Amino acid sequence: SQTIHQWPATLVQPVGSPLSLECTVEGTSNPNLYWYRQAAGRGLQLLFYSVGIGQISSEVPQNLSASRPQDRQFILSSKKLLLSDSGFYLCAWSVKGAGPYSNQPQHFGDGTRLSIL
Amino acid sequence: KNQVEQSPQSLIILEGKNCTLQCNYTVSPFSNLRWYKQDTGRGPVSLTIMTFSENTKSNGRYTATLDADTKQSSLHITASQLSDSASYICVASADSWGKFQFGAGTQVVVTP
Repeated sequence: SQTIHQWPATLVQPVGSPLSLECTVEGTSNPNLYWYRQAAGRGLQLLFYSVGIGQISSEVPQNLSASRPQDRQFILSSKKLLLSDSGFYLCAWSVKGAGPYSNQPQHFGDGTRLSIL
Repeated sequence: KNQVEQSPQSLIILEGKNCTLQCNYTVSPFSNLRWYKQDTGRGPVSLTIMTFSENTKSNGRYTATLDADTKQSSLHITASQLSDSASYICVASADSWGKFQFGAGTQVVVTP
């Protein structure tokens, strides 16, 4: 069966420090991968998606970047964190369909709670 | 402006009772409508996915309906259980290459 792992589960970082969140998927190959941010009381916001190794699309301009060095590994990074980067970060995967937003279900990890001090 | 509006914002129901959550969307052209369940501190879990040609879809005690003409969807929970306490998120997608629009969710609390 397929599983998705995100770590760490919680993270407290000072303003201006770097960030690296990792997400890995097991039990499937060539998935679509996604990074979301969820703010309290608001809907999930798509940050990045990837349809293959080295292929990253950014949905919103921001202080973050993403990379996909391996087929089932997706990394969210920042060189200098801002207070506004606080939030709940979710990684998700889906099988390939007609496009990156196909009718296939998305499967989410359990997220990373990021607090910036 | 959010293209997916959910109501109510929160809901408290007694165990064993039924409830219905509402979702109105404006995304166009429309591809599919999804409902997710998100437990506190966890990632969302897919409940149903409906394309514009589907009117209803069930997953156990969860039944989703879709009216593509009025751009409305509902999620009905039958015989609620304590484990149904969660946030329920409606997501509308515009065509297969379009973008997901997430609602803010309805927080459901089931009490004994």
